[in-house]
Amino acid sequence: DVKVTQSSRYLVKRTGEKVFLECVQDMDHENMFWYRQDPGLGLRLIYFSYDVKMKEKGDIPEGYSVSREKKERFSLILESASTNQTSMYLCASSLNPTKTDTQYFGPGTRLTVL
Amino acid sequence: AQSVTQPDIHITVSEGASLELRCNYSYGATPYLFWYVQSPGQGLQLLLKYFSGDTLVQGIKGFEAEFKRSQSSFNLRKPSVHWSDAAEYFCAVGFSGGYNKLIFGAGTRLAVHP
Repeated sequence: DVKVTQSSRYLVKRTGEKVFLECVQDMDHENMFWYRQDPGLGLRLIYFSYDVKMKEKGDIPEGYSVSREKKERFSLILESASTNQTSMYLCASSLNPTKTDTQYFGPGTRLTVL
Repeated sequence: AQSVTQPDIHITVSEGASLELRCNYSYGATPYLFWYVQSPGQGLQLLLKYFSGDTLVQGIKGFEAEFKRSQSSFNLRKPSVHWSDAAEYFCAVGFSGGYNKLIFGAGTRLAVHP
């Protein structure tokens, strides 16, 4: 079974702090994704990566950056956290970068910015 | 632009009753279609998917969905709901070419009364 893990289930940070959310997958998947989930809005794609050191903006990249130094690990960075970034963050991975297929999700990190 | 609509934000059914969750999409070609379920505090789990072939697809936990091209719909059904089916359900659409990006609907929250 594919396993996607996220470093924290719950996180509380202060406005202006730099925040790192880590995601690790164990199935040698090429693609990795970061979404944020808000009530009534579903999942919105922040960034994705189809290869090591490669990244592409999703639909809502403002205020976020990402890093993928190793194939199995994809980090989401909030350079200066703001209260409007309070949300549930979900990481996902999928096997093939050029073929639509199932995305496998981690358990999520619920981030609160005070 | 491609989009996914789940018209029902909340649905409440009695245990043992049948269930249908609606999903409509907007896309010019044949899409790749997914239903995911999210239990409270958890990540998303794939219920079923449609890529091609038989338009009635079976999934896990007794769920099925039917692709109707003429109606641009992919509705999820279950003949008899169990209390453990209470969760949030997301419809997602993928497209041929380009990094396996998915577009998610806003979700339908299902409550099950005993």
